[in-house]
Amino acid sequence: EIVLTQSPATLSLSPGERATLSCRASHSVSSYLAWYQQKPGRAPRLLIYDASNRATGIPARFSGSGSGTDFTLTITSLEPEDFAVYYCQQRTNWPATFGQGTRLEIK
Amino acid sequence: QVQLVESGGGVVQPGRSLRLSCAASGFTFSRYVMHWVRQAPGKGLEWVAVISYDGSNKYYADSVKGRFTITRDNSKNTLYLQVDSLRAEDTAVYYCTRDWGVSSFDPWGQGTLVTVSS
Repeated sequence: EIVLTQSPATLSLSPGERATLSCRASHSVSSYLAWYQQKPGRAPRLLIYDASNRATGIPARFSGSGSGTDFTLTITSLEPEDFAVYYCQQRTNWPATFGQGTRLEIK
Repeated sequence: QVQLVESGGGVVQPGRSLRLSCAASGFTFSRYVMHWVRQAPGKGLEWVAVISYDGSNKYYADSVKGRFTITRDNSKNTLYLQVDSLRAEDTAVYYCTRDWGVSSFDPWGQGTLVTVSS
């Protein structure tokens, strides 16, 4: 099973600042990594697929990068609606696995 | 629009069973691999099960193998999860979701809550 480790667990920033979230895989997943945003009481929402492709309707301030074992989700100029929990996920190898999440909170 | 709507959750005693359903609309259901993912209260996401386009292939997380069964009815555009021998640790919101591309899941339903308690 591929373990995904996200860091930091919690990130405290202010609106307008830049957020950098990390996801590290225990084995290579090539470029097959996705990122999701989840707000309280809501289902996860796909942000990024295949490491760097924005899903439909996702604002350009969200970007993904990386390959192999190290991946980054960057949010430039945080908006109030961006404060949420973010998960990375792979299904290159079964079972599909998720990171434990990074909570992005308002400072 | 593409939509997934789960139902069937509730409060159930340990050892009992439930059948969860996921009604799909807005896309050709029979062309997609489908999944169940769950989230315990205050916890992260855990993938549970996957089923192929025609239902001929299925795969489960070790934590539910032998107790949960994923099926689909393409004539009704509906995905199911039969959950048997429920345990307290199965308490979670259960989401259905669709394969998207090579790496991801999209969209997700709103989820249905299963609470296992005596």
